[in-house]
Amino acid sequence: GAGVSQSPSNKVTEKGKDVELRCDPISGHTALYWYRQRLGQGLEFLIYFQGNSAPDKSGLPSDRFSAERTGESVSTLTIQRTQQEDSAVYLCASSLALGTFQPAFFGQGTRLTVV
Amino acid sequence: KNEVEQSPQNLTAQEGEFITINCSYSVGISALHWLQQHPGGGIVSLFMLSSGKKKHGRLIATINIQEKHSSLHITASHPRDSAVYICASQGTDKLIFGTGTRLQVFP
Repeated sequence: GAGVSQSPSNKVTEKGKDVELRCDPISGHTALYWYRQRLGQGLEFLIYFQGNSAPDKSGLPSDRFSAERTGESVSTLTIQRTQQEDSAVYLCASSLALGTFQPAFFGQGTRLTVV
Repeated sequence: KNEVEQSPQNLTAQEGEFITINCSYSVGISALHWLQQHPGGGIVSLFMLSSGKKKHGRLIATINIQEKHSSLHITASHPRDSAVYICASQGTDKLIFGTGTRLQVFP
């Protein structure tokens, strides 16, 4: 597509439920990144993909968080048993490749509210 | 380790004023991003720069690669420009974010 697309744009869920956040990167972009920003805090890095592989998962806040990418395209960030502290804007970005200097393009984010 | 610093942290202005937000980074980068976060939380990518200057409407972004410094300028500021402005440096993989500048423009 023309840009990075995230869905849903807003999600309200009950504590304890699982949620899936989706990111459709720009076609042909092999690198994909997930970030989040909790209220009143700065942006924090969660995970990145090179192709369908995620070499560095250390940014995921807990084992309730997982992410996958298929077909070197769409990525899903899954949060199991959501907690109120998971409430945040989740931001996705993609770039042409890792390891070479390529600019990243951002989606508009998914606002997750856990009630 | 790359660090990104923004200044000022908070900025208030009267409508119509010219505004400058600064961003410095410590190591060489491939691109510098300026993002805008609205009070409702939505984040918009304003600019992505690797050199020189870009302009979009009343917004202008510049970068000086040698000095490792970028500025975001807003001309003829308006209350709807009130937001948090974030710069982020990009190396070979993840981005490093500044802490943001909170801008309030009063009528």
